[in-house]
Amino acid sequence: DAKTTQPNSMESNEEEPVHLPCNHSTISGTDYIHWYRQLPSQGPEYVIHGLTSNVNNRMASLAIAEDRKSSTLILHRATLRDAAVYYCIRSQGGSEKLVFGKGTKLTVNP
Amino acid sequence: DAGITQSPRHKVTETGTPVTLRCHQTENHRYMYWYRQDPGHGLRLIHYSYGVKDTDKGEVSDGYSVSRSKTEDFLLTLESATSSQTSVYFCANGGQGAAGYTFGSGTRLTVV
Repeated sequence: DAKTTQPNSMESNEEEPVHLPCNHSTISGTDYIHWYRQLPSQGPEYVIHGLTSNVNNRMASLAIAEDRKSSTLILHRATLRDAAVYYCIRSQGGSEKLVFGKGTKLTVNP
Repeated sequence: DAGITQSPRHKVTETGTPVTLRCHQTENHRYMYWYRQDPGHGLRLIHYSYGVKDTDKGEVSDGYSVSRSKTEDFLLTLESATSSQTSVYFCANGGQGAAGYTFGSGTRLTVV
């Protein structure tokens, strides 16, 4: 049980921002929120993670709701290379295991 | 830098034969994992290790065993391969709460 909910698919246009939502309404106080993406024929790739505060790195930004029941991965300017399946994952408090759901398949249109 | 190397990359084997997949890390991560990925299921955890000789089951461990005799190597064995074990297998390392995981490139296993 992945305990996160994501849309099955989303579309974006190249060079536009993309907001990928994730619902994790049963999250506990010590659970981190992770985002990974998987490009075709590759293994998953770490994107970003956070606990309570919004986070930024060179790949993306992570906006976490104040009640932590949802989060949004933000790609500021989508490129064709960002087309992938994006997974939002809760790391279950105290456990090192990542439980993957089915993710959101992002299509980027030129 | 190939933090995680999986071997072989591709393998075709016959039903009933034993198969061992290897995962090698160049870092010194305590935690390593084996996942399988099938269409419509996403990635599912098979087994994981939290140290040398310390392993535990994941959600789909039946028919699989693992061994970790050295920090850098984590082996996944299919005792008697079945067609339902045809899949892409990914190894990963990392974790410990906040850190990111690194995944290998995968092993595509076909059981005929």
